[in-house]
Amino acid sequence: DTEVTQTPKHLVMGMTNKKSLKCEQHMGHRAMYWYKQKAKKPPELMFVYSYEKLSINESVPSRFSPECPNSSLLNLHLHALQPEDSALYLCASTPGQLNYGYTFGSGTRLTVV
Amino acid sequence: GIQVEQSPPDLILQEGANSTLRCNFSDSVNNLQWFHQNPWGQLINLFYIPSGTKQNGRLSATTVATERYSLLYISSSQTTDSGVYFCAGIRFNTGKLIFGQGTTLQVKP
Repeated sequence: DTEVTQTPKHLVMGMTNKKSLKCEQHMGHRAMYWYKQKAKKPPELMFVYSYEKLSINESVPSRFSPECPNSSLLNLHLHALQPEDSALYLCASTPGQLNYGYTFGSGTRLTVV
Repeated sequence: GIQVEQSPPDLILQEGANSTLRCNFSDSVNNLQWFHQNPWGQLINLFYIPSGTKQNGRLSATTVATERYSLLYISSSQTTDSGVYFCAGIRFNTGKLIFGQGTTLQVKP
């Protein structure tokens, strides 16, 4: 298995909702990442987990809450989002925090209404 | 300042044409990589190329680390090559992957 699987592919949520994005990989990679991408912009790093521990938080608002329950799974819990949080959310993994070998998922397109 | 800079921002090609995309990077990043994002959002890692030249089918890349630039060559372009090409590097001391603004390529049949 050489994929990073993200679910759901599309999500529409209200500003008072709570939802979660899920990311899964079975390549034995030990680093996993969340990126946010606005239209016509490059991806921007949000969080990095290395060996299931949060190693980088790019000053992301607390309405985004990451979780890494095990080495194959990464979640992003969403609560009280704003319309400006609408974006493509991409998950990625690498063998370690080794700077190469990135595999990206196909993303979740989030719309906040 | 800008750490990873790509040119051109947009490119339109006729199918079968060749093209060269350029990436300039500052001395605060290294471990250059090229990605392709298709129209559906999927980001594919094309090359990890901190220096030297690599080829994969119709695509090849060259990085001259001493002069802080990298080139991506696309030969005999096909409509499936359309999308956004990103160059990215790792920022020293942080391990963070920093993306350029991308080159949007449209290949017309």
